[in-house]
Amino acid sequence: DAGITQSPRHKVTETGTPVTLRCHQTENHRYMYWYRQDPGHGLRLIHYSYGVKDTDKGEVSDGYSVSRSKTEDFLLTLESATSSQTSVYFCAIKLAGSTDTQYFGPGTRLTVL
Amino acid sequence: DAKTTQPNSMESNEEEPVHLPCNHSTISGTDYIHWYRQLPSQGPEYVIHGLTSNVNNRMASLAIAEDRKSSTLILHRATLRDAAVYYCILGGSGGSNYKLTFGKGTLLTVNP
Repeated sequence: DAGITQSPRHKVTETGTPVTLRCHQTENHRYMYWYRQDPGHGLRLIHYSYGVKDTDKGEVSDGYSVSRSKTEDFLLTLESATSSQTSVYFCAIKLAGSTDTQYFGPGTRLTVL
Repeated sequence: DAKTTQPNSMESNEEEPVHLPCNHSTISGTDYIHWYRQLPSQGPEYVIHGLTSNVNNRMASLAIAEDRKSSTLILHRATLRDAAVYYCILGGSGGSNYKLTFGKGTLLTVNP
């Protein structure tokens, strides 16, 4: 499972509140990713990181920010949660090497009321 | 980004082989073909990947057409635990900063 954990696994919050999701890995992988998954949309990339303090936007980055102050942790923050951000969030890492093989965490189910 | 086309759904019977097709007519010469699957209520799981030659691992086989414009994921004996959404994805060239683009995949139903 590539040593990926996500916390919390479930969260219910209210519109307008800040929320931070954590992805933790134990194997010093350089690349880390945040995806969201909604019915009918498959997985969509929010942000990714290619090293400590090195991050970039994905296809659905509006309303989200990320931080990576150490290799093992990649944080996803919703500064002011909205109901449209109700989703399941998956973190992933990319194995070293020339291909893009990624391994995913168990997911965080976020509900914004 | 090069795109893939998969059937929305397929059905199989337990213990029979399953062939999941994927078309990728705009694949570039350096794109690897990846397959992932997602079981209900779980994160996506890597299945297999290949570049030009057919590939086998403990989970599945990947057959790649000679012109690389299509590929087939083969589950040799489907089990109920193989019921999942299967995604065919192109990547690995490095030019996209290692981002994978997931489509809607194929929902595989396995009948007992």
